[in-house]
Amino acid sequence: AQSVSQHNHHVILSEAASLELGCNYSYGGTVNLFWYVQYPGQHLQLLLKYFSGDPLVKGIKGFEAEFIKSKFSFNLRKPSVQWSDTAEYFCAVTVTPLNNNDMRFGAGTRLTVKP
Amino acid sequence: DTEVTQTPKHLVMGMTNKKSLKCEQHMGHRAMYWYKQKAKKPPELMFVYSYEKLSINESVPSRFSPECPNSSLLNLHLHALQPEDSALYLCASSQGPAGWQPQHFGDGTRLSIL
Repeated sequence: AQSVSQHNHHVILSEAASLELGCNYSYGGTVNLFWYVQYPGQHLQLLLKYFSGDPLVKGIKGFEAEFIKSKFSFNLRKPSVQWSDTAEYFCAVTVTPLNNNDMRFGAGTRLTVKP
Repeated sequence: DTEVTQTPKHLVMGMTNKKSLKCEQHMGHRAMYWYKQKAKKPPELMFVYSYEKLSINESVPSRFSPECPNSSLLNLHLHALQPEDSALYLCASSQGPAGWQPQHFGDGTRLSIL
């Protein structure tokens, strides 16, 4: 079945540690990939997106992600996390040329950064 | 602050009540969405409106009735809801319906069914 998988349900890190959150998808065709963050009590915010071009994309707040087509992956990374990065992180996929922006989310990864 | 405004922020209603959730954006976006999010779960798509026309209905029960009066407004009419419908209801918008256009989310309406 078509799906978006996030491997880690809960990640706990200390400040300044490096972060990598996994995301794999099983959709065929041309995919558009997104990472969203949901801080406690706040709305979903777009961190970064990929739809074509350079497979290494940079987003806000120092985050980046790499699209590896052969591995159907779009992992999120940050070299040095801060306490303020504590949040829920969602990977999401849409598929073109369906052209209907039917976005499917992964289950989410809760990141806790200890000060 | 998000540019997608949802009202009310919280709603408590009985199973026989009729209420409506509202969503508004003034970014000129032509696609709007309703999602349902249960605690500790990802958002699940309910409806998509593209150019004010319903383009996706993800097999949502008829007790949820969407409406798009114009390109800036999206409503979700609620009637005879069940306790399992208690959740955070998110509205989102995007510039257009193309899959590469990111969606902008509102803060949500937290709905509790008594």
